[in-house]
Amino acid sequence: AQTVTQSQPEMSVQEAETVTLSCTYDTSESNYYLFWYKQPPSRQMILVIRQEAYKQQNATENRFSVNFQKAAKSFSLKISDSQLGDTAMYFCAFMKRETSGSRLTFGEGTQLTVNP
Amino acid sequence: NAGVTQTPKFQVLKTGQSMTLQCAQDMNHNSMYWYRQDPGMGLRLIYYSASEGTTDKGEVPNGYNVSRLNKREFSLRLESAAPSQTSVYFCASERQTSSYNSPLHFGNGTRLTVT
Repeated sequence: AQTVTQSQPEMSVQEAETVTLSCTYDTSESNYYLFWYKQPPSRQMILVIRQEAYKQQNATENRFSVNFQKAAKSFSLKISDSQLGDTAMYFCAFMKRETSGSRLTFGEGTQLTVNP
Repeated sequence: NAGVTQTPKFQVLKTGQSMTLQCAQDMNHNSMYWYRQDPGMGLRLIYYSASEGTTDKGEVPNGYNVSRLNKREFSLRLESAAPSQTSVYFCASERQTSSYNSPLHFGNGTRLTVT
């Protein structure tokens, strides 16, 4: 079974600064996906970024980028130029690639607060 | 484009009551999922349906039943609600092929309180 660990329950950052959220995972699989989801106070789950394990290049989406270290089983999220709207709970998630029902395993979440 | 629609948004039940949470997606996705979210525990999978006509247990299935009514709809039923089922419930859907897994698309959740 896969496990996902987010060791930072809460973090805060000043507006316009950069923050990095940590995530580690444990798996024996070689073919899988990793995700970061954002959950603002509205409760909606919003996909931030996705990484495929077979790709060595780190994924980027505008101000969001990841540092994917496959050997270390580490998948951190870097948010640049933080904005007030980035305040949310962030979840790291692992998905084994399957053709019949992919099951996401989530970490416990990191509550990020962006301060003005 | 509505995406994944869950009803109701909020519900309060007394212990022992039953109810069904409804979920529908309009993206022609083949796989659908039910998760529950509890503080400090992330989201945990209750049941999933890889395709119309099939359902399987996830990590925390006890006390729940599901029905994949058709390709669009996947309902979650609590037959006899317990306070431990107080949670936020999310439905999600995904398009899968033999070579591709799309990211999960989530509904906006149902906050359920069992007293």
